[in-house]
Amino acid sequence: DAKTTQPPSMDCAEGRAANLPCNHSTISGNEYVYWYRQIHSQGPQYIIHGLKNNETNEMASLIITEDRKSSTLILPHATLRDTAVYYCIVKAPNFGNEKLTFGTGTRLTIIP
Amino acid sequence: DAGVIQSPRHEVTEMGQEVTLRCKPISGHDYLFWYRQTMMRGLELLIYFNNNVPIDDSGMPEDRFSAKMPNASFSTLKIQPSEPRDSAVYFCASSADGVKNIQYFGAGTRLSVL
Repeated sequence: DAKTTQPPSMDCAEGRAANLPCNHSTISGNEYVYWYRQIHSQGPQYIIHGLKNNETNEMASLIITEDRKSSTLILPHATLRDTAVYYCIVKAPNFGNEKLTFGTGTRLTIIP
Repeated sequence: DAGVIQSPRHEVTEMGQEVTLRCKPISGHDYLFWYRQTMMRGLELLIYFNNNVPIDDSGMPEDRFSAKMPNASFSTLKIQPSEPRDSAVYFCASSADGVKNIQYFGAGTRLSVL
């Protein structure tokens, strides 16, 4: 699984869009980009994933660059409840190897 | 569905005692994962099961740790004997389709070994 690099921390004003970057320059053609978040004292929560096209769901949007070497998770209208640690994980869908490796993530703080 | 259910939410025990953590996965999910989270080491995968069979236990720290999944709706993680360095938050997660790597986590068990 490709290594990912994320900034350790970010701040965002409440109501603004939060843009969380992730670098994965060694990503392989069959590897997906997954985003999870962990709110304080809770278990991690799946947000979104994608292969090469941009994806959007009720929680967020995922923008993957054309060369797939980096991606950005966008929370369009951040609220205080979005304060959490956000993890970017790159993984191929290999049957028999279902392990997710969580790095240190980005601690996002939403400021009132 | 109620999601992944873990019990107890908090456990305080003394060194040397046996500790058993429990997990009920989401109905219909065929993968179950046990993770441990500490400040020093972050979130680590201990072991995971597919259709009740252990697939990879390479993350289990030592023989004091054991995990079982007697049926599709129940799993246990046991520590015997417990040590202070086992203090951590233990999460259970389940997945319907391991290929998609979308795992649903429980609320965790916070273990304190005194």
